[in-house]
Amino acid sequence: AQSVTQLDSQVPVFEEAPVELRCNYSSSVSVYLFWYVQYPNQGLQLLLKYLSGSTLVKGINGFEAEFNKSQTSFHLRKPSVHISDTAEYFCAVRNSGAGSYQLTFGKGTKLSVIP
Amino acid sequence: KAGVTQTPRYLIKTRGQQVTLSCSPISGHRSVSWYQQTPGQGLQFLFEYFSETQRNKGNFPGRFSGRQFSNSRSEMNVSTLELGDSALYLCASTNGGGTGSHYGYTFGSGTRLTVV
Repeated sequence: AQSVTQLDSQVPVFEEAPVELRCNYSSSVSVYLFWYVQYPNQGLQLLLKYLSGSTLVKGINGFEAEFNKSQTSFHLRKPSVHISDTAEYFCAVRNSGAGSYQLTFGKGTKLSVIP
Repeated sequence: KAGVTQTPRYLIKTRGQQVTLSCSPISGHRSVSWYQQTPGQGLQFLFEYFSETQRNKGNFPGRFSGRQFSNSRSEMNVSTLELGDSALYLCASTNGGGTGSHYGYTFGSGTRLTVV
């Protein structure tokens, strides 16, 4: 079984400041890792994913994440946030093996960007 | 390329009724997954279909069921609705199977179901 813990339920940050949203996971097998963003009354949009290779992954809208296998973490970062980044962010994992296609999500982190 | 389309966007039903939600995946995507999103439980996996076959099922009661058609469109059905079934139901598609399935899922905007 897998689990995902997003350590902060809410993160307020001033505009143009850096932000880090934390994600830790637990799994007995190799996983793929994802970050999704959800704007109000919308579905989920993929920000970035880690499949293999370089542990630093760059995504859309200036976001990046670093996979740390020893700490089982996949924290999301952005060096300078904008008002438009206000949304809820979800970390998710998926078993990298064949036959398992479900995503396990964290509870989400609400990012509020303060003008 | 059209995205994942879910219909209807909003639905209000009475306890005890049943409901059917529809999902049209991105053209060429053969895998469709369903998720329930609630404030208390977050995002929970319901089931996943590939080529009309259910491949995975989450931990939900038998009142929740689904199916996939030959054109990859999927429906999910909830019978004997309960107040706790009020949620945003999200559908996601991917090209599924083999190496394509790890390219991330594309989600629809969801169907918001309210049970009164």
